[in-house]
Amino acid sequence: GENVEQHPSTLSVQEGDSAVIKCTYSDSASNYFPWYKQELGKRPQLIIDIRSNVGEKKDQRIAVTLNKTAKHFSLHITETQPEDSAVYFCAASKGPGTYKYIFGTGTRLKVLA
Amino acid sequence: GAVVSQHPSWVICKSGTSVKIECRSLDFQATTMFWYRQFPKQSLMLMATSNEGSKATYEQGVEKDKFLINHASLTLSTLTVTSAHPEDSSFYICSADAGTGGPSTEAFFGQGTRLTVV
Repeated sequence: GENVEQHPSTLSVQEGDSAVIKCTYSDSASNYFPWYKQELGKRPQLIIDIRSNVGEKKDQRIAVTLNKTAKHFSLHITETQPEDSAVYFCAASKGPGTYKYIFGTGTRLKVLA
Repeated sequence: GAVVSQHPSWVICKSGTSVKIECRSLDFQATTMFWYRQFPKQSLMLMATSNEGSKATYEQGVEKDKFLINHASLTLSTLTVTSAHPEDSSFYICSADAGTGGPSTEAFFGQGTRLTVV
């Protein structure tokens, strides 16, 4: 069935360093890949997304890359700050909103001051 | 952005009782809403797709008779956990598509409901 794998499960970085989280999806029909940040006990917040017709997208310190052939996509956070500490989830879908999302297993990012 | 509100935010109930969780889209209409379940320190697992005016579509392994979904209007979907047991204790969260009348933009999530069954 549809599956999204996410690595690593935990990640600790020094403040100012970069963090990279990687995901692999199984359904080749997926064409929308959002990334969510979730703080403890709160709702997931969309931080960036990418569609399959684009290989890379950047928004200030956050970037996402997509390799559709390999079914890989990655989140890159540069110049990390303590407030970036949270759990990050990737997801794959056949489209935004209307279609169901299959979430990755999550990455707990800790930025050390 | 669009607002999705869930109620209640938390609930404690006794084993054997039923609990209803509401998911409302406050400033847009949503023909489709999704219900997820999240165990502590785990991912969001899709339970079912809620379709306005029709039966919900459940994911494999989710008991439809235990998790009753009703999407009676374009702004409200409800999830009822029937005959709740301690193993049903979890964080339940809904999402809705805000792309009414045009291409979908993103899914917006409710704030979640923490259910504890004692």
